[in-house]
Amino acid sequence: QVQLVESGGGVVQPGRSLRLSCAASGFSFSNYAMHWVRQAPGKGLEWVAIISYNGDNTNYADSVKGRLTISRDNSKNTLFLHMNSLRAEDTAVYYCVKDRPAYTYGDDDAFDVWGQGTKVTVAA
Amino acid sequence: SYVVTQPPSVSVAPGETARITCGGNNIGSKSVHWYQQKPGQAPVLLIYDDSDRPSGIPERFSGSNSGNTATLTISRVEAGDEADYYCHVWNNGRDIHVIFGGGTKLTVL
Repeated sequence: QVQLVESGGGVVQPGRSLRLSCAASGFSFSNYAMHWVRQAPGKGLEWVAIISYNGDNTNYADSVKGRLTISRDNSKNTLFLHMNSLRAEDTAVYYCVKDRPAYTYGDDDAFDVWGQGTKVTVAA
Repeated sequence: SYVVTQPPSVSVAPGETARITCGGNNIGSKSVHWYQQKPGQAPVLLIYDDSDRPSGIPERFSGSNSGNTATLTISRVEAGDEADYYCHVWNNGRDIHVIFGGGTKLTVL
């Protein structure tokens, strides 16, 4: 079945780095734009970043621009989030999310598959 | 920047109809998507493109969008519908911006 499994979360000190991974299965990963969405403890959903199906295009929320980088390896069906200069406000559960239609980028699409999330805690 | 507003909470008795709104300037011109999130779980897509249901979502869940308000309607509410509900739109200009509403906690009395 269609599945997204995140990994790489943990506790990290402010200013340090972390890399999240998301393993995709059950669908043609290379055909879909992918996203990271995060949720701080007790808070709502916050979109973080998007990457096009072929990796050529990316966009970020203003709150993470310049510190977080989304990338993908279509040969390994894996999505990544490289997190640098981490801050306390980056503490959240990070979800890997699939765009609903294939071969679109930023086209008002819904997010039809979500991973179970990986928790990142930034604390001294 | 574009802002969408949801009521923090909605309460309804079992069997009644719940309506959760998502307000935004001329939101009727945008495609609105809705998600359900139960405690400790990932969000699930309920409604996409204002009013379409993914396969497996009960017909009790429906959506509409006009003017400055999009609405998620849950008919014949069940105890299992108690959850947080989020609306989602895109506001693309020079850059891509994905926007979620603040979420609405549905309580089944």
